[in-house]
Amino acid sequence: AQSVTQLGSHVSVSEGALVLLRCNYSSSVPPYLFWYVQYPNQGLQLLLKYTTGATLVKGINGFEAEFKKSETSFHLTKPSAHMSDAAEYFCAGFLTGGGNKLTFGTGTQLKVEL
Amino acid sequence: GAGVSQTPSNKVTEKGKYVELRCDPISGHTALYWYRQSLGQGPEFLIYFQGTGAADDSGLPNDRFFAVRPEGSVSTLKIQRTERGDSAVYLCASSEGVGRAYNEQFFGPGTRLTVL
Repeated sequence: AQSVTQLGSHVSVSEGALVLLRCNYSSSVPPYLFWYVQYPNQGLQLLLKYTTGATLVKGINGFEAEFKKSETSFHLTKPSAHMSDAAEYFCAGFLTGGGNKLTFGTGTQLKVEL
Repeated sequence: GAGVSQTPSNKVTEKGKYVELRCDPISGHTALYWYRQSLGQGPEFLIYFQGTGAADDSGLPNDRFFAVRPEGSVSTLKIQRTERGDSAVYLCASSEGVGRAYNEQFFGPGTRLTVL
């Protein structure tokens, strides 16, 4: 079955450290992929997306992600974490046969410590 | 330009009751989606509308769930005979249209449904 998998339900980093949130997908053709952020009691906000073209995509708040077809991955990174980055992050995609519905991973809760 | 709005923000009901959850999409968006997010999980697709018609309802868990969008704008998700397992955050999203090039989905804040 087509799926999106996020490794690590909780990630903790120090302020100023590198953020790396992992996402892998299963799809018979390259999917469109997205990262969303969700702050407490708020809706999902799009951070960035990969559709076609450049495999390194830049998003808001200094985040970026690289689509690697050979590794079926779309990991999210940020060079230097800020306290305001603490939130839950979801990787999602339009997968083969999924039509217009997004398939989400289970989410990664990012904690940023002083 | 208002975003997607959902009402109520919180709904507490008793097992067996009927509930309606409302979604107001971004003006001009023709596609509307409902997702359900259970505790500790990512959102799961329920149904999507293109205009007034349900184009894909494959995610509705059973026939207690129903959604309408009679005028192609506001949508209502209806749940009959609620069960405790229906407790979740129900998210609504809208997009400009269908087809991958235009299908960025904008999400509302959700309705938190608690079934006692």
